[in-house]
Amino acid sequence: ETGVTQTPRHLVMGMTNKKSLKCEQHLGHNAMYWYKQSAKKPLELMFVYNFKEQTENNSVPSRFSPECPNSSHLFLHLHTLQPEDSALYLCASSRGGGLGEQFFGPGTRLTVL
Amino acid sequence: KNEVEQSPQNLTAQEGEFITINCSYSVGISALHWLQQHPGGGIVSLFMLSSGKKKHGRLIATINIQEKHSSLHITASHPRDSAVYICAVRDTGNQFYFGTGTSLTVIP
Repeated sequence: ETGVTQTPRHLVMGMTNKKSLKCEQHLGHNAMYWYKQSAKKPLELMFVYNFKEQTENNSVPSRFSPECPNSSHLFLHLHTLQPEDSALYLCASSRGGGLGEQFFGPGTRLTVL
Repeated sequence: KNEVEQSPQNLTAQEGEFITINCSYSVGISALHWLQQHPGGGIVSLFMLSSGKKKHGRLIATINIQEKHSSLHITASHPRDSAVYICAVRDTGNQFYFGTGTSLTVIP
């Protein structure tokens, strides 16, 4: 148990659906991250929020829309996804900005049909 | 070509064996990390290195900055070590690059 929770753990959606992934951290951290992990590919950092402000958006398609209402919660809103978006989506949080200081959630396994 | 390359991609070992996982990178780095990902997805940070060697229990991580290479060693491997081990680097511009991971299975 890392103090970072993600819901749902599994999600199957059609290409026309709209869904949201939720991440919550109970560690008092001020930075939160979304990562994408596809089979046989390296982890990809998608978004970074620091004190609720988005500080990084690594060329992510607009069909992924993040929201950070406060330092403890992070959402990833999904709409009109493609089958190639099927992946494990990991949330992480940290007090500082270093990778080694990040605590990861268990991930949401997303399948787009 | 990925900035971080790991080998092997898959590794099966008998319990008790000494295991080595290798990581090579092509960028100038400020730090290198070894991460462990168990089935189910969650990731745990094992080591952060910028030089030399670190040891934690049965795990040892080394880095050679000149050769741009790092190794993760597991001594007296155990089935609970079965996981994916990911090498990641932070470059001097604060960008993170990740390897594709090494999937380790330790058989009792």
